[in-house]
Amino acid sequence: AQKVTQAQTEISVVEKEDVTLDCVYETRDTTYYLFWYKQPPSGELVFLIRRNSFDEQNEISGRYSWNFQKSTSSFNFTITASQVVDSAVYFCAVNTDKLIFGTGTRLQVFP
Amino acid sequence: DAGITQSPRHKVTETGTPVTLRCHQTENHRYMYWYRQDPGHGLRLIHYSYGVKDTDKGEVSDGYSVSRSKTEDFLLTLESATSSQTSVYFCAISEGWIVGTDTQYFGPGTRLTVL
Repeated sequence: AQKVTQAQTEISVVEKEDVTLDCVYETRDTTYYLFWYKQPPSGELVFLIRRNSFDEQNEISGRYSWNFQKSTSSFNFTITASQVVDSAVYFCAVNTDKLIFGTGTRLQVFP
Repeated sequence: DAGITQSPRHKVTETGTPVTLRCHQTENHRYMYWYRQDPGHGLRLIHYSYGVKDTDKGEVSDGYSVSRSKTEDFLLTLESATSSQTSVYFCAISEGWIVGTDTQYFGPGTRLTVL
């Protein structure tokens, strides 16, 4: 069975701080896909990134970066120089044949 | 943004009444999904569809049924709503040509309250 653990329920930072959101996943499959989604206060779910299990290269997109480590089954998400607009709930998910979500991390960025 | 709409966006109903939620897509994607979001649980899959008239159960399907008579529409029905079905319901779509690989794109959600 697949499982995703986001141990950080809530994180608060001050603007311009860097913040890392942790994600640990479990799956018996050797081929799988990992995802991050953002849910801002308005409620919609916004896709951020998809990663397959064979690609362990870290990825950077502007202030966002993702660190995939297969050895520790982790797919962490870092926001550099956080901004108030980054305040949201962030979900990590794993997919082999079904998309399984973690319970989310609420990030609050204060000015 | 993926063309996904959900209706209604908000609904309040009473225990025991039937409720139908609609998801409509303009992307011609093969797969459609219904999830519910509850505090402490993240999103959980209720049912999904891999084509017209082809549906299957997800993790929390009890008390729900679905139908897909057209590629663009996926209906979720609560035959007799209960208070435990108070939740936010999200529809999602994916191209679905290889199961498990696609990115799912989500609709705006429907907030359902069962009194």
